[in-house]
Amino acid sequence: DAGVTQSPTHLIKTRGQHVTLRCSPISGHKSVSWYQQVLGQGPQFIFQYYEKEERGRGNFPDRFSARQFPNYSSELNVNALLLGDSALYLCASSLGGMDQPQHFGDGTRLSIL
Amino acid sequence: RKEVEQDPGPFNVPEGATVAFNCTYSNSASQSFFWYRQDCRKEPKLLMSVYSSGNEDGRFTAQLNRASQYISLLIRDSKLSDSATYLCVSRGNTPLVFGKGTRLSVIA
Repeated sequence: DAGVTQSPTHLIKTRGQHVTLRCSPISGHKSVSWYQQVLGQGPQFIFQYYEKEERGRGNFPDRFSARQFPNYSSELNVNALLLGDSALYLCASSLGGMDQPQHFGDGTRLSIL
Repeated sequence: RKEVEQDPGPFNVPEGATVAFNCTYSNSASQSFFWYRQDCRKEPKLLMSVYSSGNEDGRFTAQLNRASQYISLLIRDSKLSDSATYLCVSRGNTPLVFGKGTRLSVIA
């Protein structure tokens, strides 16, 4: 069975550009969450979607947006990229219940020059 | 104050040693707790959920103390392959809140 898949694996952008990151959850999982992990820190929550509805939003600026599609895949969009957006972006999927663990994809490593 | 706090380490232990990590959380509304393992430049992987009654999975034992708001992870008979960063995670009404992680190096 395929796990959580993310694309692209690596990405290099320059300041001011925008980026779209993609995630496909584990089959049967309806919840997708996005996290940002900068070096030396734990992952920080950005968004959660469940059944195509936003269920939660972390403390990130409006430059960050996301959506979930009918097939439960998801996109994370970041506009007006800043140097500080350089990080590993992780997508996690789960069945959706509060006690359900989340399973992570390999992540997209985003570098801003 | 960070919502989940861990000693960043590093913990350098010889093979076969027993090592324990502690973690505290500040949100008393947190409902679920987990330990994740993260290898260098890889994604976090679920190690185990943590239950109030304590739970064991092979060489790993996790404990939760709700009164004191701390979580522990005990690793017995450490292996070289246990070298990684261990992330303490809580979950309340929002998705996962991670600690910064505790780095473990098991030395031959």
